[in-house]
Amino acid sequence: KQEVTQIPAALSVPEGENLVLNCSFTDSAIYNLQWFRQDPGKGLTSLLLIQSSQREQTSGRLNASLDKSSGRSTLYIAASQPGDSATYLCAVSQGGSEKLVFGKGTKLTVNP
Amino acid sequence: DGGITQSPKYLFRKEGQNVTLSCEQNLNHDAMYWYRQDPGQGLRLIYYSQIVNDFQKGDIAEGYSVSREKKESFPLTVTSAQKNPTAFYLCASSIAGSTDTQYFGPGTRLTVL
Repeated sequence: KQEVTQIPAALSVPEGENLVLNCSFTDSAIYNLQWFRQDPGKGLTSLLLIQSSQREQTSGRLNASLDKSSGRSTLYIAASQPGDSATYLCAVSQGGSEKLVFGKGTKLTVNP
Repeated sequence: DGGITQSPKYLFRKEGQNVTLSCEQNLNHDAMYWYRQDPGQGLRLIYYSQIVNDFQKGDIAEGYSVSREKKESFPLTVTSAQKNPTAFYLCASSIAGSTDTQYFGPGTRLTVL
């Protein structure tokens, strides 16, 4: 059974700092991995999707990497801003299954 | 504007009542999903549908029911058989399945009184 773990559960950083969020999964037979952002009381917003054949994806200040063999992904946020404060979730999709398996998220606070 | 809408935003239910949560999308997506989110837990899949008139149980389908009579609509009914329904419910859609990016609605917070 696939399990997704995100460490740390919470992170607080000063504005301007570069930071890394971690995601690990137990079964490396994934189809893709997605990173989402969730603001309090809101739905999820898709940030990046990495196919299993890819190593990384970039969007603006965000860079997500994937090491399928070791079961790890990282989300790198450059020059963090208070507006980046949210919970970040990763989820994996496995071939043959319609299910996304989610981690519990990392709550990020960027202090001005 | 294209997107997913959910209504209502907040819903209160008395014990023993059935309630229906609405989810509508105008993205022309084939696949739609319902998730439940509880504090401190990841999202859990309740039901999903890959095509009109077809749907499948997810991990926690007991006490819930769905229908998919139209491509753009995927309502979720929380029945009185669901023992602990208080949660945040999220609807999502994707072009063709979980291998594509999922787009989420704003959610419905259900509270049982």
